[in-house]
Amino acid sequence: GAVVSQHPSRVICKSGTSVKIECRSLDFQATTMFWYRQFPKQSLMLMATSNEGSKATYEQGVEKDKFLINHASLTLSTLTVTSAHPEDSSFYICSAFSGDGRHYEQYFGPGTRLTVT
Amino acid sequence: SQKIEQNSEALNIQEGKTATLTCNYTNYSPAYLQWYRQDPGRGPVFLLLIRENEKEKRKERLKVTFDTTLKQSLFHITASQPADSATYLCACSGAGSYQLTFGKGTKLSVIP
Repeated sequence: GAVVSQHPSRVICKSGTSVKIECRSLDFQATTMFWYRQFPKQSLMLMATSNEGSKATYEQGVEKDKFLINHASLTLSTLTVTSAHPEDSSFYICSAFSGDGRHYEQYFGPGTRLTVT
Repeated sequence: SQKIEQNSEALNIQEGKTATLTCNYTNYSPAYLQWYRQDPGRGPVFLLLIRENEKEKRKERLKVTFDTTLKQSLFHITASQPADSATYLCACSGAGSYQLTFGKGTKLSVIP
C-alpha cells in the first residue's frame, strides 16, 4: 500500500502557542487529504477535507480559524493548530487519497499525539 | 443521522479460531464499506473494501461480507494469530463521496 508520513509524531506545547503538523504522501500524488482527530477509545472524527490548490472544507463544529489547513502540493498538507488549549490535546491523523476514480481506500499517516499543557 | 455501529467494544478469542466482527449501519446506504486495522498509537491501515453490489470479498485469511438487506458487514479472520490482536475499524462512504464515516472499532485480542 501507499506510504503516508506525518511529522512530528509527538508534540507538547504550552497553552496559547501554535503547532504545525505535516502530512506527506511519499509514493503517490494525493489530490485529496483528510484530517481526523481521535480521542481515547473513540472513533476517528473527520475534521476537514483538503484538496490540492484550494481551500479546505471543514466539518460542522470545526473552527477553520483555529485549525488552519494548507495543501500546497500533491504530496504535502499541513495542519496548524493555532492558540492551542488543553482541550485540543488529541491524536491527529491525516490520510491521503488518490482520487483516480478507481481506488476508494485512504492511506493514513502514523498520527501525531498533541499534548497542550 | 448516519450511524456506524460496531457492537462489540472488545472480543477475545483463542489462537487458531475464526474471529468474526460485526458492523451495522443505520440511516445510511453506503456504496463502499471498508475495514481498517489500527494498532495502539498508530494510524489505521487499510485491509479490505467491498462495494454495495458485492456480497463477499477475500484476501488471504480475511473475509468481508456486505448484506444491504440487514445493513450489516461481517469481518472474519480465519486461523487467528496473536499478531492479529488490534482494533479493527469499519468505515463507510456514499456514492460519489470519498469521505469516510468510522465506527468506534472492536478491539480484538487473540489469546495464545
